[in-house]
Amino acid sequence: DAGITQSPRHKVTETGTPVTLRCHQTENHRYMYWYRQDPGHGLRLIHYSYGVKDTDKGEVSDGYSVSRSKTEDFLLTLESATSSQTSVYFCAISGGDGDEKLFFGSGTQLSVL
Amino acid sequence: AQKVTQAQTEISVVEKEDVTLDCVYETRDTTYYLFWYKQPPSGELVFLIRRNSFDEQNEISGRYSWNFQKSTSSFNFTITASQVVDSAVYFCALSALERMDSSYKLIFGSGTRLLVRP
Repeated sequence: DAGITQSPRHKVTETGTPVTLRCHQTENHRYMYWYRQDPGHGLRLIHYSYGVKDTDKGEVSDGYSVSRSKTEDFLLTLESATSSQTSVYFCAISGGDGDEKLFFGSGTQLSVL
Repeated sequence: AQKVTQAQTEISVVEKEDVTLDCVYETRDTTYYLFWYKQPPSGELVFLIRRNSFDEQNEISGRYSWNFQKSTSSFNFTITASQVVDSAVYFCALSALERMDSSYKLIFGSGTRLLVRP
């Protein structure tokens, strides 16, 4: 299995508070992704990174920011969490030029009350 | 912009029936990659297959087969003689370059929930 770890696995927070989710990989893969999964919407891309300090927006990037200061870590930040951001968040990594299969983390269940 | 459509939200079959999951994609790129992933009730995402746009050969892996047709922009997935363990959500995904100066990103369809009843 690919070495990819998400933390925390579960989090409950209140509306308006900042939240940071961490994705850590040990595969030295260039590409890292953050997706959210919601019923009826499947997996939607939030942000992705194609190298250290190289990031780009996905389909649903509003309200989220990311940072990648080193190859192994990709952070997803909700600056001011809202109830609509209650979701399961998956991190994924990919080798090659982003055209290879993704390896997924176990997911983070985030509840914003 | 790239897009993946899985029109079948949910499918229910009886064990041993064959079932086909549809996937239609949109992209302006000539080089792209198509994927299928499985998400069983336990929640993890499992890679099933990757296809590039230049390889239209159909593929079979045990009870699983995939039919890629560029003419209809479809990449359908068939399970032969379905089993209860096949019950899961199946996602089709597309990876393409949106712009010449961009990088690949993987976009998923909304998924098809397959329920195989004993």
